[in-house]
Amino acid sequence: AQSVTQLDSHVSVSEGTPVLLRCNYSSSYSPSLFWYVQHPNKGLQLLLKYTSAATLVKGINGFEAEFKKSETSFHLTKPSAHMSDAAEYFCVVSFDRGSTLGRLYFGRGTQLTVWP
Amino acid sequence: NAGVTQTPKFQVLKTGQSMTLQCAQDMNHNSMYWYRQDPGMGLRLIYYSASEGTTDKGEVPNGYNVSRLNKREFSLRLESAAPSQTSVYFCASSGRTGRTDTQYFGPGTRLTVL
Repeated sequence: AQSVTQLDSHVSVSEGTPVLLRCNYSSSYSPSLFWYVQHPNKGLQLLLKYTSAATLVKGINGFEAEFKKSETSFHLTKPSAHMSDAAEYFCVVSFDRGSTLGRLYFGRGTQLTVWP
Repeated sequence: NAGVTQTPKFQVLKTGQSMTLQCAQDMNHNSMYWYRQDPGMGLRLIYYSASEGTTDKGEVPNGYNVSRLNKREFSLRLESAAPSQTSVYFCASSGRTGRTDTQYFGPGTRLTVL
């Protein structure tokens, strides 16, 4: 069964400090993993994705995530938070079945607040 | 290149009314999806269409119907709206990027059912 758990519903950091958003997954197959960001009243934007190439994945806006198979984790990090990073972040898992359709399973989201 | 577009952006319905949410994509993608987003729940899949002419149920299909009009367009219909269908609805489409099926999302439709 596929599932994804975001360990924190809210994370607050000060501007300029590191960001860590935690995600664990469960997958019976080789997973593809994504992080999406949603700014207030906006749609979802892809931050980065893991597709079984390099385990450290770099995304947009300075974010990166590391795939750790032994820990079934895919945590999102950024060295220095910016006010514009305040948004909701979704960890998402899919698995490659060799078809053109990949069902996505969403975590419940982590709301990131950045204090000045 | 507009990506995924949705209409309307906002809608208020009374219980029992019907309406259709429209979605179109210009990326020549085969697969399209409808999700709903509720607070604290992430996104849940309502229906999807792997290709033109096919549709399948997702996690929460009850109370909804869909039509894949052509390759570009995928509509979601509420035949008799209920307050439990108050939500934000997102359409998405996907194409292959290597092995990965990356989905691209529209801006959403905020629906309130009174």
